[in-house]
Amino acid sequence: QSVLTQPPSVSGAPGQRITISCTGSSSNIGAGYDVHWYQQLPGTAPKLLIYNNINRPSGVPDRFSGSKSGTSASLAITGLQAEDEADYYCQSYDSSLSGWVFGGGTKLTVL
Amino acid sequence: EVQLVESGGGLVQPGGSLRLSCAASGFSFSDHYMDWVRQAPGKGLEWVGRTRNKGNSYTTEYAASVKGRFTLSRDDSKNSLYLQMNSLKVEDTAVYYCASGRVASGGYYSYWGQGTLVTVSS
Repeated sequence: QSVLTQPPSVSGAPGQRITISCTGSSSNIGAGYDVHWYQQLPGTAPKLLIYNNINRPSGVPDRFSGSKSGTSASLAITGLQAEDEADYYCQSYDSSLSGWVFGGGTKLTVL
Repeated sequence: EVQLVESGGGLVQPGGSLRLSCAASGFSFSDHYMDWVRQAPGKGLEWVGRTRNKGNSYTTEYAASVKGRFTLSRDDSKNSLYLQMNSLKVEDTAVYYCASGRVASGGYYSYWGQGTLVTVSS
């Protein structure tokens, strides 16, 4: 069981908006540690999507956005496209474990 | 172009050892922390460990699941990262990625390698 909890799957039709939640606790997200998001396309390495809660690296479309509040964070994708079909992971630091932790991952299906 | 290229994966028996390497290019290696992250077949990502840069005394941290069995090291003169894995268990079977981020950036990974598969089986 992952320290950061994500829904196993989400789906949406092309053009729609979806959100993926990442729920932590007082020893990680709630302690103020930043949340980062990665996209992993099938058969490839993860790619940084959002860093430090809300920032997009150069080259990531503005259809992707991040937010954080309390012990949770969220990734939103607007204008869903077929190419967005992938696994998405959140990451943060956990002071109780003294290490970096990932969410269990969310598989996005574009209908 | 930034590249992280892992090597050294393969099939090893339980209790055996393996050493992974990661060759970096295209960025300032000495300004980055270097981590290993693994992914068991069909599973999610798991942080394995981190080695910081010279300015942070090359300190290392490990996940509880590998502490005492795995050792991270780096050679800044060769822009390389290593993972010495001893006392391997079946549950260590995974694709091992090296990943890096700029020191003081917040802990995220700007760069990832393509991964190398380690299979622990008799």
